[in-house]
Amino acid sequence: EAGVTQFPSHSVIEKGQTVTLRCDPISGHDNLYWYRRVMGKEIKFLLHFVKESKQDESGMPNNRFLAERTGGTYSTLKVQPAELEDSGVYFCASSHGGGTGELFFGEGSRLTVL
Amino acid sequence: LAKTTQPISMDSYEGQEVNITCSHNNIATNDYITWYQQFPSQGPRFIIQGYKTKVTNEVASLFIPADRKSSTLSLPRVSLSDTAVYYCLRGDTGRRALTFGSGTRLQVQP
Repeated sequence: EAGVTQFPSHSVIEKGQTVTLRCDPISGHDNLYWYRRVMGKEIKFLLHFVKESKQDESGMPNNRFLAERTGGTYSTLKVQPAELEDSGVYFCASSHGGGTGELFFGEGSRLTVL
Repeated sequence: LAKTTQPISMDSYEGQEVNITCSHNNIATNDYITWYQQFPSQGPRFIIQGYKTKVTNEVASLFIPADRKSSTLSLPRVSLSDTAVYYCLRGDTGRRALTFGSGTRLQVQP
């Protein structure tokens, strides 16, 4: 069974440009999460999808970040325009059900904004 | 979201048992405790989860006392490949947004 896959693994862009990160969850997992670790900081929650609906987006830092999950399958996280402080590693995770139970994380997408 | 408190780092040797304790004094009734492991350049990986008493799986044991204000992850007979960062997280059963703290960096030496 394929795990959570994220693309790209590393992206280098200039301040002001746009980047779109993609996450493919484990097949059949309705729950999809985005987390990120900015440099030197802890891993922080961004948002949670249940199928195509945003269940919780309380961790989204500002309106430069847009997450979508059309069709309830893969998800994209767009940063537009990117700022220097957006540099970090963006993790996606998925799970089968809500409540307790493990989250399956991808290997992350490293974003470097110059 | 409330965080947990755990040691910043620990050192051990191969074959030893490692116990990592986590404090969560203000744990709520709905909170469960979950431990994740993370290797460099990888995403966190689930180890074990519990609500109270003791839980054991093929890789670890989790001890949670009756007051649930702390928990201890026990790794039996660690190997070099267990060198990683270990995170203790508390989560509401109705809310899946996990809060990661700083974690405990475990270094296993030969």
